[in-house]
Amino acid sequence: AQKVTQAQTEISVVEKEDVTLDCVYETRDTTYYLFWYKQPPSGELVFLIRRNSFDEQNEISGRYSWNFQKSTSSFNFTITASQVVDSAVYFCALSEARGSSNTGKLIFGQGTTLQVKP
Amino acid sequence: SQTIHQWPATLVQPVGSPLSLECTVEGTSNPNLYWYRQAAGRGLQLLFYSVGIGQISSEVPQNLSASRPQDRQFILSSKKLLLSDSGFYLCACTGTVGAGELFFGEGSRLTVL
Repeated sequence: AQKVTQAQTEISVVEKEDVTLDCVYETRDTTYYLFWYKQPPSGELVFLIRRNSFDEQNEISGRYSWNFQKSTSSFNFTITASQVVDSAVYFCALSEARGSSNTGKLIFGQGTTLQVKP
Repeated sequence: SQTIHQWPATLVQPVGSPLSLECTVEGTSNPNLYWYRQAAGRGLQLLFYSVGIGQISSEVPQNLSASRPQDRQFILSSKKLLLSDSGFYLCACTGTVGAGELFFGEGSRLTVL
């Protein structure tokens, strides 16, 4: 069965610190997609990144970076020089893929609440 | 790009009362649609998904049902609410199968008393 584990329930850092959010997944599929979403206090989920299982290149987007390691089934998310506006709940998610298509059914981790203090 | 509208945003209902949450999508046609529930302090659980009008798949047995009367309309219902139905309900869509990430609505917060 597919499963996503975010072992860190809550993380608290001081502004400008770097922080890494861990995500470990389980799947028997050879083709799959991984996602990170941000949920600010307003509640709406904001898409951050999608990565397919054949692309292990790490990605950087501004202060955000993602480390995908298939060998350890991990897809970790690092925020560099954190800011108060980064405070939110962050979800890692896994989607099965059939062929090259994303079925869209996402399995979410329990989420990590990040608090960035000024 | 897609826009998803959900209403009502907040709802307080007594146990045993009916429920109807509505979701409409703009900016895409023939989307896959999804209902997720987020219980307090927990992750998101997929409840239903639909690949077309009148086509509903249920992921978990529960007290809720879903319907898709129009291409871009997705409704979550219950005939009699339970306390355990309380939570934050999120509607999501993808443009076409294979389009990638899901887009989420603003959510509907349901409290059953």
